[in-house]
Amino acid sequence: EAQVTQNPRYLITVTGKKLTVTCSQNMNHEYMSWYRQDPGLGLRQIYYSMNVEVTDKGDVPEGYKVSRKEKRNFPLILESPSPNQTSLYFCASSPPQGRLAKNIQYFGAGTRLSVL
Amino acid sequence: AQSVAQPEDQVNVAEGNPLTVKCTYSVSGNPYLFWYVQYPNRGLQFLLKYITGDNLVKGSYGFEAEFNKSQTSFHLKKPSALVSDSALYFCAVRLSGGSYIPTFGRGTSLIVHP
Repeated sequence: EAQVTQNPRYLITVTGKKLTVTCSQNMNHEYMSWYRQDPGLGLRQIYYSMNVEVTDKGDVPEGYKVSRKEKRNFPLILESPSPNQTSLYFCASSPPQGRLAKNIQYFGAGTRLSVL
Repeated sequence: AQSVAQPEDQVNVAEGNPLTVKCTYSVSGNPYLFWYVQYPNRGLQFLLKYITGDNLVKGSYGFEAEFNKSQTSFHLKKPSALVSDSALYFCAVRLSGGSYIPTFGRGTSLIVHP
């Protein structure tokens, strides 16, 4: 089954304790991205990756890191989490055919993070 | 710069009645427009998109949307609502020749009453 898998689905942590949220897709998609969803703000893009070893900042990259060593994986790293990073996080991927900007995105089920 | 506005936080409709979820956008060029739906505890799912061509776009689950360039709108519609349509709906825009960073609206909660 074609899917985007995020882990963990739920995470409670404390300020300053490094964490990683994993994202994996099995559709051979080149484009992957991370979003955070906050009430009243919709989805905001954190980072995106056009291909292996190619990453770029989205609208709200501060406090986050990503890596893209393999095509299928795109982990989100919070080196020193803070309470304002408490949010619902989504990973997404898009197929490479044609003009990328018009392609639909496939989303993971989400990771709910609470930073105390 | 690009932006999306979903002016209603919540839309209530009775089952069987037509529904409309509003979306207006602003881009400095030709837009690519998308609607996604989010069910509780799930990720977003694609509903439909407008790239070019016919202004009326048909999508999944009986939804459709009309691109109106003069009003810069892309309202989501369905002729007859179902209780199972109750969910959070997001409109998104990308500039056709620009960045791959999409802009999403804040979301509209659709509640269909039995």
